[in-house]
This record gives sequence, structure tokens and C-alpha cells, in this order.
Amino acid sequence: EAGVVQSPRYKIIEKKQPVAFWCNPISGHNTLYWYRQNLGQGPELLIRYENEEAVDDSQLPKDRFSAERLKGVDSTLKIQPAELGDSAVYLCASSPRGTNEKLFFGSGTQLSVL
Amino acid sequence: SQQGEEDPQALSIQEGENATMNCSYKTSINNLQWYRQNSGRGLVHLILIRSNEREKHSGRLRVTLDTSKKSSSLLITASRAADTASYFCATDGDYKLSFGAGTTVTVRA
Repeated sequence: EAGVVQSPRYKIIEKKQPVAFWCNPISGHNTLYWYRQNLGQGPELLIRYENEEAVDDSQLPKDRFSAERLKGVDSTLKIQPAELGDSAVYLCASSPRGTNEKLFFGSGTQLSVL
Repeated sequence: SQQGEEDPQALSIQEGENATMNCSYKTSINNLQWYRQNSGRGLVHLILIRSNEREKHSGRLRVTLDTSKKSSSLLITASRAADTASYFCATDGDYKLSFGAGTTVTVRA
């Protein structure tokens, strides 16, 4: 069974440029999460989806970040425009149930904003 | 903001020794989970302990939970080089899974 797939693996952009990350969760997993992990820190939740619905986006900086999960499967996270402080690893995770038990993580996208 | 705090921040042990790390948290929880992260990779779920449980085992892992002290510990017995990684506790409460800053474990051959 394939795990959570994220792309790209690495992304380097200049500040003020837009950037997008893509995530394909494990088949059948209804719950999808985007986390941001700064260097030396634990992941911090940005947004959580139940199928197509964003059920928790309280931590998403909505002035520059947006996310979508069309058809309740793949998801895209976008930043526009990117700032220097957005440099981090963006992790996607999924879980099979509508609870926060046992998340399966992708390898992440490492973003560097210059 | 991060709910859990791990202690110590870093740990270096000899292969075969045991590794113990602690997690303290602030608010009530439904369960507490431990994850491992190898360098440059995503997190891998290790074990989950519910708020009404006090101890749980999985292979070489032993987790305890003390809800009165709002703390948990993870013990890895007979460590191996492959156990070198960062370990994170995650608290499930208030509909949110929140991670601590992690403990970096280095196992020396």
C-alpha cells in the first residue's frame, strides 16, 4: 500500500513569489492534515480536512495561505506571496477515521524562501 | 503554540542501553501519542495511550501516562543504532493533535 505522497520534495523560491505543495493521502483516508515544521521544532497544525470540508483552519494564516481538497482526495496548499519566515518543512498527513488517532505522514516538502 | 514539552531536548546513549524521555502537557487530553522522525523524513506513529490507561507496551517500547501530573514517558529498551531519531509526543485534546518540540536521540555503536 502506498503511503502519503507529497511533492515537490524540495522547493527554493524568492520572497514574494507564490508556491504550491501537493499531497495525495492514503487511499480511503477521509481525514487530511497540513502541518508546518520549523527547524528544531515539532509540527504545528495549519489545517485539517474531513473529506472536502476544512473542519479546523484556525491556525492557517489566511492572508497568504490557502488550501483546497477537491473531491475529498488530493489536497493543495498554497502560499502567495511567500515571506522569509515561511521557510520550513510542510508535512501532509492522513488518517482513516474522523479522529486524531494514528496519523500517517508524508516525507514533507522542504521550502526555502530567499 | 505547542502543547507538549519533551525532556531532555537531546539524549546520547550507547547501543544496548535504555533511553527514557518525558513529555509534559498543559490541558486535558483524550489520548497521548508518540511519533518518531528520522532525519529528513516524515513522522511515524509508534504508540498511543488513552487517558484512562496508565501503561502500555509495544515491542521494545514502554509508555506511561500520569494524568494527575499531566506527564508521560517513553522508554526504549536495548537501543539500536536504528533508533537514532527525533521522538515527539502528541496530545489529542480539544479536537486538535498538538506536538511537542521533540527529543533527539543518538545511539552510538
